[in-house]
Amino acid sequence: GAVVSQHPSWVICKSGTSVKIECRSLDFQATTMFWYRQFPKQSLMLMATSNEGSKATYEQGVEKDKFLINHASLTLSTLTVTSAHPEDSSFYICSLAGTSGNYEQYFGPGTRLTVT
Amino acid sequence: KQEVTQIPAALSVPEGENLVLNCSFTDSAIYNLQWFRQDPGKGLTSLLLIQSSQREQTSGRLNASLDKSSGRSTLYIAASQPGDSATYLCARISGNTPLVFGKGTRLSVIA
Repeated sequence: GAVVSQHPSWVICKSGTSVKIECRSLDFQATTMFWYRQFPKQSLMLMATSNEGSKATYEQGVEKDKFLINHASLTLSTLTVTSAHPEDSSFYICSLAGTSGNYEQYFGPGTRLTVT
Repeated sequence: KQEVTQIPAALSVPEGENLVLNCSFTDSAIYNLQWFRQDPGKGLTSLLLIQSSQREQTSGRLNASLDKSSGRSTLYIAASQPGDSATYLCARISGNTPLVFGKGTRLSVIA
């Protein structure tokens, strides 16, 4: 299976600042990555689909100007939370689909963001 | 809107018991179904993936079944252990698109 890493694993930032989260595919090239958000005791909710070399596709209700996604290469997608607010505190997870044809998805370990 | 429902929301069992977690979905045109485990504060670990042409998959003490006609999947855990305590999520897969997750079942196995 694919190996996906995220950096940082956790981050604390002050309200109003910006935070960048990286999602890397370590062992194959991914044209599409997905970003999810998970609030405590909730399931994962898709935020956006990140496409290499083109604009991300955002889900309804997710502000594209607040959550900036850049998929600059086939192994790296970044999510930048701009002007962070305490309500942005959440667990952010990225995933990518494998190439085996069964569409199995592989997830990063997640990033815990706390905005104070 | 495609939905995935998991029952029960929480389950507590004594060690050694066999148990079944349920997942139902509204879209009969799914491709595959994937079961995950999530420990508190951690990411997702893939347990089993059942392709739409398959009826079940097994890995160790885990067995997952898929019945597309009834829109159901079950995850069977044999001889449960305290280390099995986690949240179990099922997700519908339709091609190379984002997964649609259920809300999960929080399992506690008591020693």
